[in-house]
This record gives sequence, structure tokens and C-alpha cells, in this order.
Amino acid sequence: EADIYQTPRYLVIGTGKKITLECSQTMGHDKMYWYQQDPGMELHLIHYSYGVNSTEKGDLSSESTVSRIRTEHFPLTLESARPSHTSQYLCASSESGRETGELFFGEGSRLTVL
Amino acid sequence: GQNIDQPTEMTATEGAIVQINCTYQTSGFNGLFWYQQHAGEAPTFLSYNVLDGLEEKGRFSSFLSRSKGYSYLLLKELQMKDSASYLCAVMDSNYQLIWGAGTKLIIKP
Repeated sequence: EADIYQTPRYLVIGTGKKITLECSQTMGHDKMYWYQQDPGMELHLIHYSYGVNSTEKGDLSSESTVSRIRTEHFPLTLESARPSHTSQYLCASSESGRETGELFFGEGSRLTVL
Repeated sequence: GQNIDQPTEMTATEGAIVQINCTYQTSGFNGLFWYQQHAGEAPTFLSYNVLDGLEEKGRFSSFLSRSKGYSYLLLKELQMKDSASYLCAVMDSNYQLIWGAGTKLIIKP
């Protein structure tokens, strides 16, 4: 059973606010990811990390930042939220090894920006 | 560009068999993955194919043809709990996952 947790599960905020979505995993996985998913659409990679102090941008990384100070923790920050950021944000982790595509996902954070 | 194509929606009857197809065009290939996602929940891993052929896992099987850029997920003895979206994903030459938009499977009694 996967042990990866996201908070908050649901968030409604106003335009211009700064928010941080939290993600923690207890599996000791080196690789962690943030995806954005809209209903009926594919997952878009926002950021990923291959280990502590390693962060990379995905294909949808503008206006957000991440940090990886500890193996288990990979928070995502939006400096100034906009209505276009309204979406479901999924955090995931996987074991090391370049060929590993088995991701373990958190339950998601559903963000609404008014 | 890279793309993954799968049908948007399919309907099947409880107890029957359904095949969900996936075609892909990617820069390189390092494996194809199928995930199941129930409404409002996170995706969960179902299967992994890197060599041509059929991989069977209980009621679910996944097939791959690399030369055709084609895969399918076969679900047998359908149950109501199989109603979900099924996501096809390909790992490209940079070991990044490229995701399809998913196929919503509706199971009718």
C-alpha cells in the first residue's frame, strides 16, 4: 500500500494569494513528481525531483516552484494564484532506477482560485 | 511531437470482455504503462510492457507491439467496480512518462 500524503485535499482561495501544496511520502523514494490534471485530460508534469536538492521543471512549470530539502517532503508553491490555476494537483513518487514507471500517487489537492 | 491516443469513452456489460486500445508516437521508447483511475481518486498502477507480447495479471492483460506503436488493455469478467478511467502512458527516451487523456469505461449491469 502506498504511503504518500497530500494536504490540503481541497482549497478555495482568492486571486493573488500565495499557496503551498504539501506532499510527503514514507517509502524512502528518491523520485518525486507534481502533476496537474483537469477532468478528462492527460496528466501534465509540473516539476520533478530525483533526490534531495534536485529539482527539475516539467512541461507546465511556469508560475510555480518546488523544493526538496528532505527525501520525504516535496512541497509545491504558487506565488500568486490565478483562476487559470484551478485544477487537480497530484503528487507522486517512485523508486530509483531510470526505467521505473510505477508511480505511487497521493490522493490529490483540488484547488479553486476565485 | 509526442502523443498518446486512446478512445475517450467505452461502454461494456458486466461479465463481458472489453479491449481498450492505445497508440503512441514518442521520441524513444522505454516501456508502456497502464493505470486505473476511479473518479475523484488518484491513478493506480496496473501493468508494464517493455517487450512485445502479452502480459497477464489476473482478469487484466496488456499487449504491446513496438513496431506498430500499439498496446491494448484487456479486461475480462467485467465487474461494476471496473468502472473507471484507464490511462496509457509511455516512457520516452529521457525516461519521462508521456500520458494519454484516458479512456472512461462505463460498465452496465
